[in-house]
Amino acid sequence: DAGITQSPRHKVTETGTPVTLRCHQTENHRYMYWYRQDPGHGLRLIHYSYGVKDTDKGEVSDGYSVSRSKTEDFLLTLESATSSQTSVYFCAISVQAKNTEAFFGQGTRLTVV
Amino acid sequence: GENVEQHPSTLSVQEGDSAVIKCTYSDSASNYFPWYKQELGKRPQLIIDIRSNVGEKKDQRIAVTLNKTAKHFSLHITETQPEDSAVYFCAASIENTNAGKSTFGDGTTLTVKP
Repeated sequence: DAGITQSPRHKVTETGTPVTLRCHQTENHRYMYWYRQDPGHGLRLIHYSYGVKDTDKGEVSDGYSVSRSKTEDFLLTLESATSSQTSVYFCAISVQAKNTEAFFGQGTRLTVV
Repeated sequence: GENVEQHPSTLSVQEGDSAVIKCTYSDSASNYFPWYKQELGKRPQLIIDIRSNVGEKKDQRIAVTLNKTAKHFSLHITETQPEDSAVYFCAASIENTNAGKSTFGDGTTLTVKP
């Protein structure tokens, strides 16, 4: 599993509340990614990080922010959750180089009611 | 940006038959093409990948082919088994740059009937 853990695994939250998802890795990998997975849409990149304090937007970044203050933790924050953000969120790392094979965490199922 | 299209969206085969899933991409700069398998309720897992300097790659019953000119690549599974039933995703990216992050296809649900 490349030492990746996501927390929480499941969360139900109310519209308008802030939510933070955590991705923790134990193997000192530089390249980390947050994806969301929705039926019929495959995996879409939200944000990514190429190192501590080095983050940038992916294709579906609106409504999300990230932080990476330590190599091992990559946090995804929904500033004010909306029902359209109900999804399964996967954290991933690349081992070899930027934008290569992704090893995924177990996923977080988020429901916004 | 990159656009990846994957076909078919669903595929049903008899055990022992072959299965082929096809993807096309739009950005000629893409040079890394992984395939992932996702079982129900699990995380996607890399099963094979190919780089643009190679036309074909095999790993036991799985093979991937790449046609750079036509900008398409395919996953071939031979002698399918029920445990091959899963959703398969292709992706394309530009390796080792700050641009060209992975773009995924929408997935193919493969069902292998015993």
